[in-house]
Amino acid sequence: GESVGLHLPTLSVQEGDNSIINCAYSNSASDYFIWYKQESGKGPQFIIDIRSNMDKRQGQRVTVLLNKTVKHLSLQIAATQPGDSAVYFCAENKAGSYQLTFGKGTKLSVIP
Amino acid sequence: EADIYQTPRYLVIGTGKKITLECSQTMGHDKMYWYQQDPGMELHLIHYSYGVNSTEKGDLSSESTVSRIRTEHFPLTLESARPSHTSQYLCASSHLPGQGKETQYFGPGTRLLVL
Repeated sequence: GESVGLHLPTLSVQEGDNSIINCAYSNSASDYFIWYKQESGKGPQFIIDIRSNMDKRQGQRVTVLLNKTVKHLSLQIAATQPGDSAVYFCAENKAGSYQLTFGKGTKLSVIP
Repeated sequence: EADIYQTPRYLVIGTGKKITLECSQTMGHDKMYWYQQDPGMELHLIHYSYGVNSTEKGDLSSESTVSRIRTEHFPLTLESARPSHTSQYLCASSHLPGQGKETQYFGPGTRLLVL
């Protein structure tokens, strides 16, 4: 079936290092992707999005890469900080669909 | 910071009680959603609405009901709470598709514990 999934359930990174969180999707009709950050006890918070007509999009300390050939999405966080510790979810939207499909989250732990 | 609010934030209630989880947004979004999320797990869509007087069931079967009488308000009701309803409930809103702004913005969630 169609799915969005994350390769690694947990990721530990030293403070100051770069983090890379990966996501695989199986629906080639998806044309919009979002990364969310969810801190403990809070709702998911929008980080960055990308449309299928782009390969890369940069924000403040974050970069999302989209490889449509292998249906792979990644989130790169530069100079990871303790405040980046959270669960990260990717979500996809199929063209013409009215809802997002969320993958399983990756828990990012930043080691001081 | 998204302007979407949920109350209560935490609720402990006995089996058989009727409860209503409140959600409101001030962003003028037409579409609203309810998700259920167990700790550390993915989000499952249980209800959504395109606008006033519109309600639809999501992917995950739920014994809850919703209503949309006002654009900004999307309450979720459980007529008779059971321990299996224990979970976190997240409300979200977005513009309608086609406006190039499908991003969903989430509220802080309601953690429900049914004893």
